Amino acid sequence: GQQLNQSPQSMFIQEGEDVSMNCTSSSIFNTWLWYKQEPGEGPVLLIALYKAGELTSNGRLTAQFGITRKDSFLNISASIPSDVGIYFCAGSNAGGTSYGKLTFGQGTILTVHP
Amino acid sequence: ETGVTQSPTHLIKTRGQQVTLRCSSQSGHNTVSWYQQALGQGPQFIFQYYREEENGRGNFPPRFSGLQFPNYSSELNVNALELDDSALYLCASSTDLGLAGYEQYFGPGTRLTVT
Repeated sequence: GQQLNQSPQSMFIQEGEDVSMNCTSSSIFNTWLWYKQEPGEGPVLLIALYKAGELTSNGRLTAQFGITRKDSFLNISASIPSDVGIYFCAGSNAGGTSYGKLTFGQGTILTVHP
Repeated sequence: ETGVTQSPTHLIKTRGQQVTLRCSSQSGHNTVSWYQQALGQGPQFIFQYYREEENGRGNFPPRFSGLQFPNYSSELNVNALELDDSALYLCASSTDLGLAGYEQYFGPGTRLTVT
């Protein structure tokens, strides 16, 4: 099935460093969401974006909805060991008569070295 | 507030068998979506249930079917299991209230292994 393209596929960083990852699509979405998944658990919603150009923060996390509506970016500042996990972007065109199908990227694996 | 729960946690089945997975939605949520997550991949949308009816379906064959009950809980049924059905099955719930309806909250998943 269709998937979004996430990059990088994996990141190995030192504690305290900032992290940037992005997600691109060949088609537009009217909603972008970012999730984090840890081993043995389901994805946890981090940030939801509803408007092109929107910049939203959640603690040390900041995400942006690209103005073309075909991309989104997630930044994590001052990383800590508990940031370890797989980060997924997801796009949705829910609204009106459309149902809320989420289309996911393949994930960015983040490893943080103390 | 009670989160999304799924049962069972793990399941091992033999090829050709049938399986039923269960999901209880987060309190206040009336919409349930099911996803299949293969190892190393992002979740893939199977279908969504709203008001006890299928409200959209992904690229999955008819042997994947579901139900939603009046209390908004849901079941995913898979018939004639194939080896490729081995995956983590995720349930997500949401509301039908404005922008909040676009946010889906996931359960811990059921790990299905088909041998």
